[in-house]
Amino acid sequence: NAGVMQNPRHLVRRRGQEARLRCSPMKGHSHVYWYRQLPEEGLKFMVYLQKENIIDESGMPKERFSAEFPKEGPSILRIQQVVRGDSAAYFCASSLGLAGEETQYFGPGTRLLVL
Amino acid sequence: AQSVAQPEDQVNVAEGNPLTVKCTYSVSGNPYLFWYVQYPNRGLQFLLKYITGDNLVKGSYGFEAEFNKSQTSFHLKKPSALVSDSALYFCAVRDNGGSYIPTFGRGTSLIVHP
Repeated sequence: NAGVMQNPRHLVRRRGQEARLRCSPMKGHSHVYWYRQLPEEGLKFMVYLQKENIIDESGMPKERFSAEFPKEGPSILRIQQVVRGDSAAYFCASSLGLAGEETQYFGPGTRLLVL
Repeated sequence: AQSVAQPEDQVNVAEGNPLTVKCTYSVSGNPYLFWYVQYPNRGLQFLLKYITGDNLVKGSYGFEAEFNKSQTSFHLKKPSALVSDSALYFCAVRDNGGSYIPTFGRGTSLIVHP
């Protein structure tokens, strides 16, 4: 009964490179959420996806960031031309249904370091 | 609009003593409230939630939280703290009549001293 899986756990990129973060939701979950956590800050919502659809991307920067959740395979958070300010922990969560009363289950996170 | 506040950045308590981690919220409708715990270099783990019903909610690892509508609070409590409870605790709220995405607090670092 695997939980939410994220890889890589740690990712180092140089400025200008691309970062790809992967998230496999819990079995049976079709709702995926991405959050960013900066030191001394809480979790900031980025994007909410269902299979093949972006439902809410109100928290995602308009440039360089994109997300997808294809019919097959994991959800991907993609950051193009990374800058030092992108260094953070990125968490994925999944839920069985819409995150109203449904509990979100979190993955272990990907810690991105931009040099 | 929905918001949540954790007024304490850090809470210190001696092992064996009761602990309280505070959370207050603001919503337009009815709140759904959640507590999560985060250990170093780990993801958030669900502790408990309040949706409706009994104001006292019991969760994992002996934690409980009390929903107080008049004070708009949802404080996390445990009768007897353990050193292993030391972690970062997050409160989250969702407005039943608004956004379907929970808003998380900034987190409270709980330190339990032996």
